[in-house]
Amino acid sequence: DGGITQSPKYLFRKEGQNVTLSCEQNLNHDAMYWYRQDPGQGLRLIYYSQIVNDFQKGDIAEGYSVSREKKESFPLTVTSAQKNPTAFYLCASSSPSGRAYNEQFFGPGTRLTVL
Amino acid sequence: GNSVTQMEGPVTLSEEAFLTINCTYTATGYPSLFWYVQYPGEGLQLLLKATKADDKGSNKGFEATYRKETTSFHLEKGSVQVSDSAVYFCALSDPTGFQKLVFGTGTRLLVSP
Repeated sequence: DGGITQSPKYLFRKEGQNVTLSCEQNLNHDAMYWYRQDPGQGLRLIYYSQIVNDFQKGDIAEGYSVSREKKESFPLTVTSAQKNPTAFYLCASSSPSGRAYNEQFFGPGTRLTVL
Repeated sequence: GNSVTQMEGPVTLSEEAFLTINCTYTATGYPSLFWYVQYPGEGLQLLLKATKADDKGSNKGFEATYRKETTSFHLEKGSVQVSDSAVYFCALSDPTGFQKLVFGTGTRLLVSP
C-alpha cells in the first residue's frame, strides 16, 4: 500500500540535544512538507520541498533543518536552537507540485517531548 | 495575508443531530478550499475539497459549498455518528504561491450516543 510513514511515533529528548524525525513516502510525490501542531492551534508550516535537492523555509523554520537527498525521504532535524520543540510533527506530500487544488497526504505524526 | 477562521469548539452533539462547523477565509485571488479530519493520535485525512466558487465538496455524508460572496466554506452533515468524533480543520491553498496550505485552528466534535 502506498503512503507516508513517520518514525518514531513518540520521541523524548533532553534539552540541548538535536533530534531527527524521519519521513518516508512511496507515493512517488514530488513535493513534501513538515508541519508543527500545538494544542489549540492549527498546523504551521516549517519547511517544504518541491523537488529533490531543493527546499524552502516555511513560516516557522527557525531552529529546524531539513534535507532532501532522495525523492522519497524528507527528514527533519530539531536543533537545540529551537526554543520550544515539544509538539506533534506531521509530514505530508503531494503531486504534482505547484497545483493549488491538489490534496496533501499526511503521515501519522511524531510526538516530540523535551524533558 | 491569507488566513482561515473556524468556530471554536468543542462542538457537542447527540447522535443523529445536524452538524454545522463554520469556516471563513481571507485570501488574495481564488484559493482552493479543504476540510481535513484528524482522529485522536493520528495524522490528517482529506475529507472534501472545492476548487472554485459554487463548487460543492462531499464525502461520507459531509458536504461544504465554496461561497465566494461570503468567503465561507461551512461543513455540514445531516446526521452525525459517534464515529464522527474528531477534530476538523478548514484549510486553503494559496493560489499565488507554491501549494502551501493555511489551516484554521481546528474544531473538536464530540458525538454522544
